[in-house]
Amino acid sequence: KNQVEQSPQSLIILEGKNCTLQCNYTVSPFSNLRWYKQDTGRGPVSLTIMTFSENTKSNGRYTATLDADTKQSSLHITASQLSDSASYICVVSLNDYKLSFGAGTTVTVRA
Amino acid sequence: EAGVVQSPRYKIIEKKQPVAFWCNPISGHNTLYWYLQNLGQGPELLIRYENEEAVDDSQLPKDRFSAERLKGVDSTLKIQPAELGDSAVYLCASSLASGGGGFYNEQFFGPGTRLTVL
Repeated sequence: KNQVEQSPQSLIILEGKNCTLQCNYTVSPFSNLRWYKQDTGRGPVSLTIMTFSENTKSNGRYTATLDADTKQSSLHITASQLSDSASYICVVSLNDYKLSFGAGTTVTVRA
Repeated sequence: EAGVVQSPRYKIIEKKQPVAFWCNPISGHNTLYWYLQNLGQGPELLIRYENEEAVDDSQLPKDRFSAERLKGVDSTLKIQPAELGDSAVYLCASSLASGGGGFYNEQFFGPGTRLTVL
């Protein structure tokens, strides 16, 4: 069973709207939690990284939250743009190098 | 600064044929990773190198897959013979190190090689 579960599997939003992606994990303890953005045909690119003691981290219009008690994280995209269309992957670092990837949420932003 | 470079970007082969993928990591990155990504799934680690040493190849199907990183820089992943189920994207990533905290072990990914086995 995957240790990192993401929801929804996909979503469609209109340009300018906000959306929130969810990540539940069972990995414990963990080193850090990251959100990656993967454009079609490209490799994943890191958006945010949080240690277990952090509960929020922002990168421009992307804001990640972490609740270590409930083992949940979210990624909020504000004022979406067409370029936000991509797959967003939640990644929990089991130790210094071993990463457990979620299956990703595919976001489609429409004009 | 150039990112992780992979080639080819796409490869179509018939089953039972051999295939090889090449990766050049970011300059100065000692740790190199090969991942397999199936459609709609997150990447799965195949092998990790520290310089030229394969320190974790527990998930590499050694009956048909092999990898090398002879001079501790670029790396090659080979499949021989390829099977239909090997169709996937093969991602290469690199990091400064595999320890030392988030900055040092942050992995940077290449664009991947999409393999189609017919």
